[in-house]
Amino acid sequence: DVKVTQSSRYLVKRTGEKVFLECVQDMDHENMFWYRQDPGLGLRLIYFSYDVKMKEKGDIPEGYSVSREKKERFSLILESASTNQTSMYLCASSRGLRGEQYFGPGTRLTVT
Amino acid sequence: AQTVTQSQPEMSVQEAETVTLSCTYDTSESDYYLFWYKQPPSRQMILVIRQEAYKQQNATENRFSVNFQKAAKSFSLKISDSQLGDAAMYFCAYRGPGGSRLTFGEGTQLTVNP
Repeated sequence: DVKVTQSSRYLVKRTGEKVFLECVQDMDHENMFWYRQDPGLGLRLIYFSYDVKMKEKGDIPEGYSVSREKKERFSLILESASTNQTSMYLCASSRGLRGEQYFGPGTRLTVT
Repeated sequence: AQTVTQSQPEMSVQEAETVTLSCTYDTSESDYYLFWYKQPPSRQMILVIRQEAYKQQNATENRFSVNFQKAAKSFSLKISDSQLGDAAMYFCAYRGPGGSRLTFGEGTQLTVNP
């Protein structure tokens, strides 16, 4: 079974803090993705990566950065958290151009 | 840019009945993929069904089937014999021919009444 894990299910941070969200997959997938999920807006792509040290901006990259130093791990970084970044964050991975995306359980981040 | 629209924020169905969730999309491509994902209260996204645009035959997975109307850019999900475990948020998603990224709709919250 494909497994995508995320470092925290729930996270509470203060405005201005630097926040790291970690995602690990165990299926040697080339592609990894970070989405945020908000009510009424569905899932929106923040960043994705198709190889180690490679990254591409998604639809809403502002205020976020990513890091992929190893194939199995993809980190989402909020350099200075703001209240409008309170959301559910979902990580996913897939193989090649046509592979199905497998999702992690999500991290519900609250910024106060 | 591709867009995906789910016009029903909430739907409800009686157990054992049939329900149809709507999805429309906009694209200029001819080769693409469409998906329905389910997100139960556990938050784990699960792929329900996929449709390749070049296939005219509608995809079916047990009680789940789609009505794919390529000319109308419509992709609805039909759930037959609804079960309590079908209660979840359902997302429609599009993937274009050139890459692996998905574009999602807003989601439809399905309630199954006993």
